[in-house]
Amino acid sequence: GAVVSQHPSRVICKSGTSVKIECRSLDFQATTMFWYRQFPKQSLMLMATSNEGSKATYEQGVEKDKFLINHASLTLSTLTVTSAHPEDSSFYICSASSGRVSYNEQFFGPGTRLTVL
Amino acid sequence: GQNIDQPTEMTATEGAIVQINCTYQTSGFNGLFWYQQHAGEAPTFLSYNVLDGLEEKGRFSSFLSRSKGYSYLLLKELQMKDSASYLCAVVDSNYQLIWGAGTKLIIKP
Repeated sequence: GAVVSQHPSRVICKSGTSVKIECRSLDFQATTMFWYRQFPKQSLMLMATSNEGSKATYEQGVEKDKFLINHASLTLSTLTVTSAHPEDSSFYICSASSGRVSYNEQFFGPGTRLTVL
Repeated sequence: GQNIDQPTEMTATEGAIVQINCTYQTSGFNGLFWYQQHAGEAPTFLSYNVLDGLEEKGRFSSFLSRSKGYSYLLLKELQMKDSASYLCAVVDSNYQLIWGAGTKLIIKP
């Protein structure tokens, strides 16, 4: 199957700093990438959808100035959490799809656990 | 509104069979996914159903009834490693994935 990597897998940062998370599709071209957030014992919450070369589409309630998404190539998308606060501590998961519609199977990265002190 | 319902938690015995149900009410339907998620890990794909009926894949089978807005995931010959959360997700008319909250499956020896 298709492989998606995420880096870093775990990050601890101080409040007020920015953190960048990378998501890479290793063996296929990801036309669409998705960013999710998952709090403990809760389901996935879609934050945004990004198509290569276009601006990301953010879900309602997600601050686009706080969660900066860049999808500059068909194999790389980045999520930057700016001015992170303790309430941003969560499990961030990216997924990638080779199609431009989300019904194509999404391949998930291993996730990044962010802890903001 | 759009809604996906799954039981919050289920318990089953090693070697047994368990059925995890998912009912949905969405604006349109373009398929239903089942994903498995172990604690602290990202989800992994199990199945995708877009037509009515049962699809079998090894120990796991997935069933869909579009007229009833209903699906189930059937796990046979349960193993301890099957302890995980199982997520149901429906693709709506806008081709957006609507996620259920997941069912935590606990396997006991």
